[in-house]
Amino acid sequence: NAGVTQTPKFQVLKTGQSMTLQCAQDMNHNSMYWYRQDPGMGLRLIYYSASEGTTDKGEVPNGYNVSRLNKREFSLRLESAAPSQTSVYFCASSVLAGTYNEQFFGPGTRLTVL
Amino acid sequence: AQSVTQLGSHVSVSEGALVLLRCNYSSSVPPYLFWYVQYPNQGLQLLLKYTSAATLVKGINGFEAEFKKSETSFHLTKPSAHMSDAAEYFCAVSDRSGGSNYKLTFGKGTLLTVNP
Repeated sequence: NAGVTQTPKFQVLKTGQSMTLQCAQDMNHNSMYWYRQDPGMGLRLIYYSASEGTTDKGEVPNGYNVSRLNKREFSLRLESAAPSQTSVYFCASSVLAGTYNEQFFGPGTRLTVL
Repeated sequence: AQSVTQLGSHVSVSEGALVLLRCNYSSSVPPYLFWYVQYPNQGLQLLLKYTSAATLVKGINGFEAEFKKSETSFHLTKPSAHMSDAAEYFCAVSDRSGGSNYKLTFGKGTLLTVNP
């Protein structure tokens, strides 16, 4: 199993450019998540998909959109990148084991917006 | 809303010394609690989790954590630090209530440095 994979690993954008971050999992998990990590801020939830066909906003959704393409794939789109979106982005997935939520993380995408 | 506080953004220990990383949560109902580790330039890896079974939870790499309801704490410990333990550690909480039990709230992280 590859687990959770993310592409690309690194990306540099200019302000105003758009891009899509891709995430896929091969663990047959129902739920998927996008986080951003900034120094001293921990991980903050951008969007999540509790199950295929549903998406919801997290703590910091402004400037982002998501698509749950199928059960395996969950993409994050920046329509018009801003320097404030410079961050490391992590995708995660989980299956609710009983009632608790153990999340598995991808390796991350380092995004710089100039 | 759930919140997690990690006391100390940076902890430095000598190799062989006790590691203690502190985590306190805010919740009227004991939540599910997790510790994750992040090595440089990598994603997060689960160290251990508390899901209301034993209050002393053992994880990977010799780490353990004790859930103390009276103190609303879930501190992470390791008796003897190894150089390979140098990483950033995150405490996270998952609410038990209703439809929000699939969301995790993370602390801001504690960077552990191990000195030779």
